[in-house]
Amino acid sequence: DIQMTQSPASLSASLGETVTIECLASEDIYSNLAWYQQKPGKSPQLLIYYANSLNDGVPSRFSGSGSGTQYSLKINSLQSEDVSIYFCQQNYDSPYTFGAGTKLELK
Amino acid sequence: EVQLVESGGGLVQPGRSMKLSCAASGFTFSSFPMAWVRQAPTKGLEWVATISTSGGSTYYRDSVKGRFTISRDNAKSTLYLQMNSLRSEDTATYYCTRDLATRVSDWFAYWGQGTLVTVSS
Repeated sequence: DIQMTQSPASLSASLGETVTIECLASEDIYSNLAWYQQKPGKSPQLLIYYANSLNDGVPSRFSGSGSGTQYSLKINSLQSEDVSIYFCQQNYDSPYTFGAGTKLELK
Repeated sequence: EVQLVESGGGLVQPGRSMKLSCAASGFTFSSFPMAWVRQAPTKGLEWVATISTSGGSTYYRDSVKGRFTISRDNAKSTLYLQMNSLRSEDTATYYCTRDLATRVSDWFAYWGQGTLVTVSS
C-alpha cells in the first residue's frame, strides 16, 4: 500500500497568517493527490484534486502544489472557519490511502 | 443540492452481519460512481469500496474483500454496503460518498453525515 505521511500533525496559527501543510507519498503518485477538510463534528469536504485543482465553491485562499512524492496545501490569510483537520489522499493505486491528518488550530 | 443520507448502523456482535443504506438526492444518481469510506473513532480515513455507475464493476480494499459487498439500485437512487463476518476492527463511522466525475476517479466530492457501526460483544 502507498503510505501517505502528513506533517505537521498539528499546528497553531494566527488569523491572517499563511499556513502550509505537507504530504509525502511513499512512492511517486504522479499528482494523483487530493486534500480534504474536516471541520469539528462534520464530514470531510473535498478541497483540491489532481494536486492543484480547486473544487467548486472552495475559497481561492486554498491552493495545492507538488509532484512526484511531495505535495503541499497552502492556506493564505487564515480565517476562523479554517479551523479543521486536513487530510491528503492518493488515488493513484488501490487501496486509496489517506494521510493521518493535520489538526489546524487558532493561536 | 446533493444529499447523501446513510442509515443502518448500530451495535452488532462480532461475526454477525449488517447492511448499510445511503439514499441519494439532488443529482442524477445513475451517472456517478459511488464509494464507502470509513473512519474509526479518533482515527483517520480509510477507503472501503467503490462501485461503477451501472454496478457492473466493484472494487474493495483487501481487508473487506469477500466479507463486504457494495451494490446500488439506480431506480431507487440508493447505495448499499452488505457487511458480513464483522470484526472489531470494522468499528467505524461509515460515510457514503459520491465521485467527483462521471467515471470512476475516487475523488470523494460529496459525503453523507455518516453512520456509526460498532462491532462488540
